[in-house]
Amino acid sequence: QVQLKESGPGLVAPSQSLSITCTVSGFSLTGYGVNWVRQPPGKGLEWLGMIWGDGSTDYNSALKSRLSISKDNSKSQVFLKMNSLQTDDTAMYYCARGGNWFAYWGQGTLVTVSA
Amino acid sequence: DIQMTQSSSYLSVSLGGRVTITCKASDHINNWLAWYQQKPGNAPRLLISGATSLETGVPSRFSGSGSGKDYTLSITSLQTEDVATYYCQQYWSTPPTFGGGTKLEIK
Repeated sequence: QVQLKESGPGLVAPSQSLSITCTVSGFSLTGYGVNWVRQPPGKGLEWLGMIWGDGSTDYNSALKSRLSISKDNSKSQVFLKMNSLQTDDTAMYYCARGGNWFAYWGQGTLVTVSA
Repeated sequence: DIQMTQSSSYLSVSLGGRVTITCKASDHINNWLAWYQQKPGNAPRLLISGATSLETGVPSRFSGSGSGKDYTLSITSLQTEDVATYYCQQYWSTPPTFGGGTKLEIK
């Protein structure tokens, strides 16, 4: 069955960078796009960006300068890197499969930005 | 970016009752709309895509409708397990954007 699972550092210091890995199973990354979506505590959902099956990427323009999404098809892993984190980047970070709507989601990884 | 507005951030409905959650886009999105249910501590769950197509396994008491800029999610015969926050999402244009959410509680 389709599964996605995020793994991240938990705590990041302000101004530092964030790296999160999404490990997928039950499908091939060459055939499906994977998105990153975040949700600050008690707030709504924000799409960050995605990587398509062919490796091309789309980003939320508001965050594009700080974001990088890449993948390793052979390891079934998708990577999110975000630079210059601030306290308002504290959120649950999800990866989700889909090109338009998001039918499969990981459980999320909570990232707290704090000194 | 297309803005998605859910006019009610909170709704309280009696068990067995019917509820309608509304979502308005800032531009026409041609039915390119999805609805999600999110329970506390869980990831969102896709309920409906294409404005009206129910995902496999979603109870038939859920339905979606709408066109143009205005869309609704309806739940009939409300059950306790329907207590959750509901989000709409447009995928007509990039970036895909979500509504602010409607939290549904039992009266």
